[in-house]
Amino acid sequence: SDVPTQPPSVSVAPGKTARVTCGGNNIGNKPVHWYQQKPGQAPVLVIYYDNDRPSGIPERFSGSTSGNAATLTINRVEAGDEADYFCQVWDTSSDHYVFGTGTKVTVL
Amino acid sequence: QVQLVESGGGVVQAGGSLRLSCLASGFTFSSFGMTWVRQAPGKGLEWVALMWYDGSKKYYVDSVKGRFTISRDNSKNTLYLQMNTLSAEDTAVYYCARETREFSMSYDAFDMWGQGTKVTVSS
Repeated sequence: SDVPTQPPSVSVAPGKTARVTCGGNNIGNKPVHWYQQKPGQAPVLVIYYDNDRPSGIPERFSGSTSGNAATLTINRVEAGDEADYFCQVWDTSSDHYVFGTGTKVTVL
Repeated sequence: QVQLVESGGGVVQAGGSLRLSCLASGFTFSSFGMTWVRQAPGKGLEWVALMWYDGSKKYYVDSVKGRFTISRDNSKNTLYLQMNTLSAEDTAVYYCARETREFSMSYDAFDMWGQGTKVTVSS
């Protein structure tokens, strides 16, 4: 199965906007989900079905998809947003769930 | 309280076996698909296996097919992962997680995760 590709790292200043991309064949045609993982902790779902937020996730987190890419956007970045972020899709060609390669977001 | 608690991890020699358990509480376990996800030291997340809410379908990542078996006992609110013929590449923290929607048939997200159980395979 194809592993969605993500940039290894994204750096952003506090108060600015961070964008994390997730690329793969026809990703825009599949539901995309996003997770935040801080060191030593289990992942937390932050965006599901492209742009829905679970309860408790700030409105600063949003998602979008277009063509062969999905994007997680974090507005007004805070120090507490520093974490690894993973996208996840269902790969219909292999009947597998698959996670993206992961992106470390660093708040400067 | 809604939670998932994994157990069963430990140190095992290459070629050995382990059975992981995931005890669910606070929700109707039999209505949700459940999955195992692992994370090797310093690496990303890797999906391992999925079982539908009713046990009618199971899916595995290619690297564990024929070695790992996912199962569930809805009467005990427990998910299992039987791991056989373990190798060093299976060393990871193993998480169980719940699909978001009741009666989901894949394509879903995972909205609840356990704290993970560590598996170390020594060679």
